[in-house]
Amino acid sequence: DIQMTQSPSSLSASVGDRVTITCRASQSISTYLNWYQQKPGKAPKLLIYTASTLQSGVPSRFSGSGSGTDFTLTISSLQPEDFATYYCQQSSITPDTFGQGTKLEIK
Amino acid sequence: QVQLQESGPGLVKPSETLSLTCSVSGGSISSGSYYWGWIRQPPGKGLEWIGIIHYSGTTYYNPSLKSRITIFADTSKNQFSLKLSSVTAADTAVYYCVRRSPSGGNMDVWGKGTTVTVSS
Repeated sequence: DIQMTQSPSSLSASVGDRVTITCRASQSISTYLNWYQQKPGKAPKLLIYTASTLQSGVPSRFSGSGSGTDFTLTISSLQPEDFATYYCQQSSITPDTFGQGTKLEIK
Repeated sequence: QVQLQESGPGLVKPSETLSLTCSVSGGSISSGSYYWGWIRQPPGKGLEWIGIIHYSGTTYYNPSLKSRITIFADTSKNQFSLKLSSVTAADTAVYYCVRRSPSGGNMDVWGKGTTVTVSS
């Protein structure tokens, strides 16, 4: 299976901050990398797919980049509703695998 | 707008079989090239991909669970289902059904999730 490693595992930030979360794959996955946001007690929500395409309805402050093995999710200006856990997922080779998650907390 | 809803027992005894169904509304599982699948999340932990099915019957399973899982679709009811046999406490989790895009492999529609506890 392809291993996905996210960093950091947790992050404290303030409203208005610019935040970057990274995801590294154990082998090349081209751009088959997706990002999800999960709030407590809720299902994950798709934010970004194929590394950099913004899902419909997702605010433009979210962006993604990368290819091969290294990827980033950037939130340009944190809003109160952005405090959540973020997961990356590779969909290049089944079984799909997820990163361990990054919990974004209010500083 | 496609919506998914999981249903099934919330409590399963060890060694028995967990059975869940996902009902699809707002669209047909038989249209397009989408795959339909299951993801689970143990309490306080991350996401685990279980497997997916195409309405044609093609399935892909997580090798870590392959010997215990069956995913099948009922196009007449616009539903798909998961069976997980010989469950243990480690199978306690929130189970989500999802729609998986055929192009990017992203999961763009999720059910709300259903909690399954394995306990005697």
